[in-house]
Amino acid sequence: DIVMTQSPFSLAVSEGEMVTINCKSSQSLLSSGNQKNYLAWYQQKPGQSPKLLIYYASTRQSGVPDRFIGSGSGTDFTLTISDVQAEDLADYYCLQHYSYPLTFGSGTKLEIK
Amino acid sequence: EVQLVESGGGLVQPGRSLKLSCAASGFTFSNYYMAWVRQAPKKGLEWVATISTSGSRTYYPDSVKGRFTISRDNAKSSLYLQMNSLKSEDTATYYCARILGFTMAGDYWGQGVMVTVSS
Repeated sequence: DIVMTQSPFSLAVSEGEMVTINCKSSQSLLSSGNQKNYLAWYQQKPGQSPKLLIYYASTRQSGVPDRFIGSGSGTDFTLTISDVQAEDLADYYCLQHYSYPLTFGSGTKLEIK
Repeated sequence: EVQLVESGGGLVQPGRSLKLSCAASGFTFSNYYMAWVRQAPKKGLEWVATISTSGSRTYYPDSVKGRFTISRDNAKSSLYLQMNSLKSEDTATYYCARILGFTMAGDYWGQGVMVTVSS
């Protein structure tokens, strides 16, 4: 199974700041067939179901603000949120969608100061 | 508008069975892989099962393999999860999710249904 190691566990920032969340996989998520990295990012606001933000490591889902940027390749990935807003208060999870069993990172709690 | 509505949750004793349902609308259900994902109270997300468009292929993690069965009825636009031999560690909110294209990642999720396994 592919193990996803996500960091940090939590972080607190002020509105307008930038944050980075990291995710490291135990195996490469890069497909040799299509050169895509099978890494997704989800946002889960309190009391809500998860929302897909990014897939294929850097493809933003329709309707997601361009403040959310996914990057990385192989085994190391980053979600960057620029100009953080109060509405970004949430838990963030990475997911490897490269192979079964699909596995999630342990999550990062984003708090707004 | 894509909508996924889960039902069938509740309190069940260890060792017993429960069947969850997910009613889909707003898209052509038969064209999409579907999945179940769960979240134990105050914990992270865990993928539970995925099913192909026709239902001929299913995938499970070891934690539920042999106990849970995912199925679908394309005529009714419905997804199911039959859960047998339930354990306390199966206590969680169960989400139904539509799979985005060939990515295997869920793009739309239901609101979730709570399953509590306790005596």
